Amino acid sequence: KNEVEQSPQNLTAQEGEFITINCSYSVGISALHWLQQHPGGGIVSLFMLSSGKKKHGRLIATINIQEKHSSLHITASHPRDSAVYICAARVIQGAQKLVFGQGTRLTINP
Amino acid sequence: GAGVSQSPSNKVTEKGKDVELRCDPISGHTALYWYRQSLGQGLEFLIYFQGNSAPDKSGLPSDRFSAERTGGSVSTLTIQRTQQEDSAVYLCASSLVGSGSGYEQYFGPGTRLTVT
Repeated sequence: KNEVEQSPQNLTAQEGEFITINCSYSVGISALHWLQQHPGGGIVSLFMLSSGKKKHGRLIATINIQEKHSSLHITASHPRDSAVYICAARVIQGAQKLVFGQGTRLTINP
Repeated sequence: GAGVSQSPSNKVTEKGKDVELRCDPISGHTALYWYRQSLGQGLEFLIYFQGNSAPDKSGLPSDRFSAERTGGSVSTLTIQRTQQEDSAVYLCASSLVGSGSGYEQYFGPGTRLTVT
């Protein structure tokens, strides 16, 4: 079992829909990152959170430390939101390296 | 200010050749990470630098892989005697510190390595 599990692996939705991507982790963490990767593009960090909830524009990230679970929500989704979204757990020991989920490929159709 | 830069952006090499991949972190960032993203696979950790030392090399897949960092800045990832399974996108990230408060990591654009 992977230390960081994301679901769903693929998600297709219509423009305007509310999107939820889930992430569960089994390692001890100091923070949980949500990353965005566009096709052929680099990786952009969307959120880094260690508790509660953060909001940036139409994106909301939440984390439940007790349940070791995080969610990324996109409100009023748009085709430009189409990308791979990656959950990454920053492990609490040593180098605090990131352990990544497999990613969720999101496609928003107009 | 400038972000993390990597060079080359693309590299095609023949099996058995050595390659060097370069990462220029954000100025002042003491922590530097190398990750790899193979086709159809997720991202995986390779090595972590704090300053010029590498306290965690646990992700390097074989002794053909090595990395160094000089002047607390530029890092080079070297792959010797490349194999086809080394084909991947190699990503570098830097952060202000590598432990304790867990500062955010900033990613470079990656180097796409293709071994033919």
